[in-house]
Amino acid sequence: AQKITQTQPGMFVQEKEAVTLDCTYDTSDPSYGLFWYKQPSSGEMIFLIYQGSYDQQNATEGRYSLNFQKARKSANLVISASQLGDSAMYFCAMREGDSGYSTLTFGKGTMLLVSP
Amino acid sequence: DVKVTQSSRYLVKRTGEKVFLECVQDMDHENMFWYRQDPGLGLRLIYFSYDVKMKEKGDIPEGYSVSREKKERFSLILESASTNQTSMYLCASSLDGPGSYNSPLHFGNGTRLTVT
Repeated sequence: AQKITQTQPGMFVQEKEAVTLDCTYDTSDPSYGLFWYKQPSSGEMIFLIYQGSYDQQNATEGRYSLNFQKARKSANLVISASQLGDSAMYFCAMREGDSGYSTLTFGKGTMLLVSP
Repeated sequence: DVKVTQSSRYLVKRTGEKVFLECVQDMDHENMFWYRQDPGLGLRLIYFSYDVKMKEKGDIPEGYSVSREKKERFSLILESASTNQTSMYLCASSLDGPGSYNSPLHFGNGTRLTVT
């Protein structure tokens, strides 16, 4: 079974609108962390936001927020007020366990296109 | 700011050649990783290393090996390149240890390898 599932291969949104990118995960470990990365066409992977399994509040970083629903095992990324520069590939990833020794498992990604 | 540098942005090699992909990080990170990225498949872990001279297989190690002689440098080796190894290769580093479970991976800009 896939550990990280991103069901939206592509998403379209108009500038200034909000968009939600879906991510569901599968783990039996009570300690885990969820990460979102952005990859523009230039290729670099940019870390956006982190949510720990024990965090009580949903993570936020500027225009990015994480809609964390633990019972549903979902960690959706919400981008508010989309900008043209948000057009990119977005990856959800998970680290299981509470040490830094475990690796990140990535989903297949969602391509976001923001139109004027 | 963490800098992860991959020696080549683009590389073209012939089938059967031995190929070296080099990666250097400047933040004294213990952990280093090699992923490959293919359309529709996301990022898949090839090998990783938690310390000098140690290595661990990831999800798709077949046809690859690695070398970590110095802490800052992690090399990916294709022993005999094949066309199905044409891909984007991404190197990453991160902190390790119990206090770094929320430590993101810091990626290089990638090497796009074409094997003809």
